[in-house]
Amino acid sequence: NAGVMQNPRHLVRRRGQEARLRCSPMKGHSHVYWYRQLPEEGLKFMVYLQKENIIDESGMPKERFSAEFPKEGPSILRIQQVVRGDSAAYFCASSPLISARTDTQYFGPGTRLTVL
Amino acid sequence: DQQVKQNSPSLSVQEGRISILNCDYTNSMFDYFLWYKKYPAEGPTFLISISSIKDKNEDGRFTVFLNKSAKHLSLHIVPSQPGDSAVYFCAASGIGTNAGKSTFGDGTTLTVKP
Repeated sequence: NAGVMQNPRHLVRRRGQEARLRCSPMKGHSHVYWYRQLPEEGLKFMVYLQKENIIDESGMPKERFSAEFPKEGPSILRIQQVVRGDSAAYFCASSPLISARTDTQYFGPGTRLTVL
Repeated sequence: DQQVKQNSPSLSVQEGRISILNCDYTNSMFDYFLWYKKYPAEGPTFLISISSIKDKNEDGRFTVFLNKSAKHLSLHIVPSQPGDSAVYFCAASGIGTNAGKSTFGDGTTLTVKP
């Protein structure tokens, strides 16, 4: 059973370009979460999605950032018109079912975004 | 305002000794706490958790203690092994929040010396 997969592992973009980060949850998991880790900081929650639904996007910047989790295919975190401050590690996590707030999340290896 | 704080950015211990990692929180609504371990270039992996109805949870070499009145939790690793060297994150979630919306501390880098 493959774990959470993220690609690309490393992404370099110039200011003003778009970045697309992909996350394939573990088999059987229908809940996906995105976190961002800036250097020397902890993980900051960005968004929580179920298939075709955004459940909580309270951690997402209001502009330039969007996320989706379509019925088929991976979850996508999209950053438009990237700026240097977007440089960070972006982690995706998945869980099987929210029956309580105590579901364990399984993290992917992350995508390291560098904006030149 | 950081709601989950790990005040020690780093900790170094000798192999075989006890490692104690600390975490403080400010939000009284938090009632579920987790510890994650992270190696370089990898995602965090779940280590151990504790609900606020308990004050201790143990799993092998790892024990988490929760002091609700002090809003403090700690992770004890005994005996420490070189393979435990990693960054440890404390995380918390609370009533009214989704499970996915855990609030993380900034991490403590543990180094276990042979």
